[in-house]
Amino acid sequence: SQQGEEDPQALSIQEGENATMNCSYKTSINNLQWYRQNSGRGLVHLILIRSNEREKHSGRLRVTLDTSKKSSSLLITASRAADTASYFCATLRTDSWGKLQFGAGTQVVVTP
Amino acid sequence: NAGVTQTPKFQVLKTGQSMTLQCAQDMNHNSMYWYRQDPGMGLRLIYYSASEGTTDKGEVPNGYNVSRLNKREFSLRLESAAPSQTSVYFCASSEEFPTEAFFGQGTRLTVV
Repeated sequence: SQQGEEDPQALSIQEGENATMNCSYKTSINNLQWYRQNSGRGLVHLILIRSNEREKHSGRLRVTLDTSKKSSSLLITASRAADTASYFCATLRTDSWGKLQFGAGTQVVVTP
Repeated sequence: NAGVTQTPKFQVLKTGQSMTLQCAQDMNHNSMYWYRQDPGMGLRLIYYSASEGTTDKGEVPNGYNVSRLNKREFSLRLESAAPSQTSVYFCASSEEFPTEAFFGQGTRLTVV
């Protein structure tokens, strides 16, 4: 079974609004990463948060991690049409050295 | 730098045919991965290679074989293709302890 599960599966917002998506996972992790995938393309790394961190920022991205709840959230502020993509969380488990496991993703559509 | 290069980009196979998907990276990474992506399932790990000469099964290895030919190249072989293997296949690479994975553009495989 997959390690990470994103919620919601799909999100539709207007430009300028914030987009929030969540990721839950099942086992202990070393780090959690978020990736973006534009239609028909490969995945691109956005941001990483380590298991001993609670929050990280990168530009318009804010990631939080709650290891007690085994969950993470990705916030995209002031969204743009170019943010339209699928977003995936990936976890590096402590019991599975080196293997990155991905969730099913959240499909985000930003309408101009 | 080219990053991660996958060939071919598209392929149609008949049931029972065999083929090899090629992947090469020029970032001197130790770790390489093969994932498959199906609608609603996200990315599922097929095989993983931590270094030249080593491979390890992922979540969905049945029906596939891999070869880590050298540090740059990691190939995925379908010995007898089945319609259930219709998918988009992604190769990725990373440092041994992944803080970021780099993806190829994918191979869209259809088995009829």
